[in-house]
Amino acid sequence: EVQLVESGGGLVKPGGSLRLSCAASGFSFNNAWMNWVRQAPGKGLEWVGRIKGMSGGGITDYAAPVKSRFTISSDDSKTTLYLQMNSLKTEDTAVYYCTTDLRGSPGDYWGQGTLVTVSS
Amino acid sequence: QSALTQPASVSGSPGQSITISCTGTSSDVGGYNFVSWYQQHPGKAPKLMIYDVTRRPSGISNRFSGSKSGDTASLTISGLQAEDEADYYCTSYTSSRTWVFGGGTRLTVL
Repeated sequence: EVQLVESGGGLVKPGGSLRLSCAASGFSFNNAWMNWVRQAPGKGLEWVGRIKGMSGGGITDYAAPVKSRFTISSDDSKTTLYLQMNSLKTEDTAVYYCTTDLRGSPGDYWGQGTLVTVSS
Repeated sequence: QSALTQPASVSGSPGQSITISCTGTSSDVGGYNFVSWYQQHPGKAPKLMIYDVTRRPSGISNRFSGSKSGDTASLTISGLQAEDEADYYCTSYTSSRTWVFGGGTRLTVL
């Protein structure tokens, strides 16, 4: 059974940093695309970025609003996905979901989400 | 990359069929057969309903079906049930190696 458990959310001031983690199990992590998708309060879904497992070269892609501020990484030995968020803005406030892409969809399976609030 | 265009809301009565459209461009929906649809109930994580335009994951009712014509993809729900009331989102792969979501459609079962 695929399980994704996010952690690390919280309250941070504008301009600050935060690192989210996603513990994954139940599938071949080192060869999978993994995504971060966010949802601002009362708003729709927004794709943040993705990473291919290190066996696939550790390739990353990012959405334009977060490029150069956010970094996605993964640790195959811990089957854990990370999202390092720097220079945070109030508009980054959202629930952040960790998702798998095992069959050409950025959300085969979803974690429960972790809330990030950027506010002074 | 602009969000895909979905109607803000649709409604239907139990037993009826409804269709939700998702319009993009030749750089996303029209250029790839990587269109997915998600269902999201309030306070819950989204759930994959359709992938690769027409495929259903195991366990998803065959009342849900997907299609695509040109730059527009569609999700059809037949035999509408009360439990289908939720928000629905489409997504597509793009020529920029990114994914783009639609703005979401609220389905109300009357």
